[in-house]
Amino acid sequence: GEDVEQSLFLSVREGDSSVINCTYTDSSSTYLYWYKQEPGAGLQLLTYIFSNMDMKQDQRLTVLLNKKDKHLSLRIADTQTGDSAIYFCAESTTSGTYKYIFGTGTRLKVLA
Amino acid sequence: EAGVAQSPRYKIIEKRQSVAFWCNPISGHATLYWYQQILGQGPKLLIQFQNNGVVDDSQLPKDRFSAERLKGVDSTLKIQPAKLEDSAVYLCASSLGEGLQETQYFGPGTRLLVL
Repeated sequence: GEDVEQSLFLSVREGDSSVINCTYTDSSSTYLYWYKQEPGAGLQLLTYIFSNMDMKQDQRLTVLLNKKDKHLSLRIADTQTGDSAIYFCAESTTSGTYKYIFGTGTRLKVLA
Repeated sequence: EAGVAQSPRYKIIEKRQSVAFWCNPISGHATLYWYQQILGQGPKLLIQFQNNGVVDDSQLPKDRFSAERLKGVDSTLKIQPAKLEDSAVYLCASSLGEGLQETQYFGPGTRLLVL
């Protein structure tokens, strides 16, 4: 079945780059997404990448997709304390029963 | 533009009781989603509506959960009777259309605690 995995925690110093990784299993994934969730809030879409792309850059965010290894990463340049949150990777697929599958989330802590 | 509204924000009930959650999507959004997010996990899709029709309810425990979107706008999610394992945050999201590239906008969620 479909599965999306992420490491649970990441801690970085303010100003450094953060890299959050995600692996997925469904090779028919169409879009892959990164969401941010702050305490007590819903999820906010940060960026997404179409499965036929390798890279997408959006200001401080860079998404890299290795479709062969089914590996997705989110790089945040110049990480700020306001970036502290839980980051979810998600995939969407037109195959199987499910349409949207979220990972378990990576808690990013930015140290001042 | 107003975001997705949900109420109540918090609910505490005892097991075997019933509970209902309400969601008001962004105006004009045809697609509405209900997710269950258990502590420490990612959201799991329970049901997806396109206007007032159900697109996907394959992960909805239909013996106790029900959802409706009668006029294609607001939606309610009901649990009857609740179990301890239903304790979670219930997130509502909406998108303009049904396509996979459509951005989903999430509400703040309803945090349910079943004692």
